[in-house]
Amino acid sequence: NAGVTQTPKFRILKIGQSMTLQCTQDMNHNYMYWYRQDPGMGLKLIYYSVGAGITDKGEVPNGYNVSRSTTEDFPLRLELAAPSQTSVYFCASSYLEDRVSGNTIYFGEGSWLTVV
Amino acid sequence: GESVGLHLPTLSVQEGDNSIINCAYSNSASDYFIWYKQESGKGPQFIIDIRSNMDKRQGQRVTVLLNKTVKHLSLQIAATQPGDSAVYFCAEKTGFQKLVFGTGTRLLVSP
Repeated sequence: NAGVTQTPKFRILKIGQSMTLQCTQDMNHNYMYWYRQDPGMGLKLIYYSVGAGITDKGEVPNGYNVSRSTTEDFPLRLELAAPSQTSVYFCASSYLEDRVSGNTIYFGEGSWLTVV
Repeated sequence: GESVGLHLPTLSVQEGDNSIINCAYSNSASDYFIWYKQESGKGPQFIIDIRSNMDKRQGQRVTVLLNKTVKHLSLQIAATQPGDSAVYFCAEKTGFQKLVFGTGTRLLVSP
């Protein structure tokens, strides 16, 4: 049971490039989330998904896209990278959102993205 | 919009001391609060949670206090150890809404 796995761990992008951050979980969780964390700041919700085929915007969705074709995978796509997207990205998953408690939200290790 | 914030960005303590990390929240309708610990290069890790119908909850070496009158949350760590050095976040949740995270306090524990 690996939990939540994110790849890549580190990436440097040039302005205007595109990339996909991969996230997979093996806990059969129906809820998955993408957060970004800027230096010295808390986590901001980018997108979330309540199940395969369903996604919704969080607080800061602009510049990102997601898809949820399977329960396990929730990739985050940056189409035209901008310096403002330099951040640490965390994927997370949980079982039932309406009963979610802190100890059932599992976070990945993070992906460090720099846009230059 | 509603926000969660912290009073102290950095807290330095000596090993063995008790630590208190504070958090102010602005949404009086928030009914669930969580403290997370984030070590360098890692994702947030759950520490302890508390619901709004409680004012205190204890875990192993940690205690969370909730004061709804002044919308204040605190995390107390007893006998702080070097391994407790990390950034601590509070987060709040209102009903079925998503978690809102605070900015974090860095705890530095000196031997």
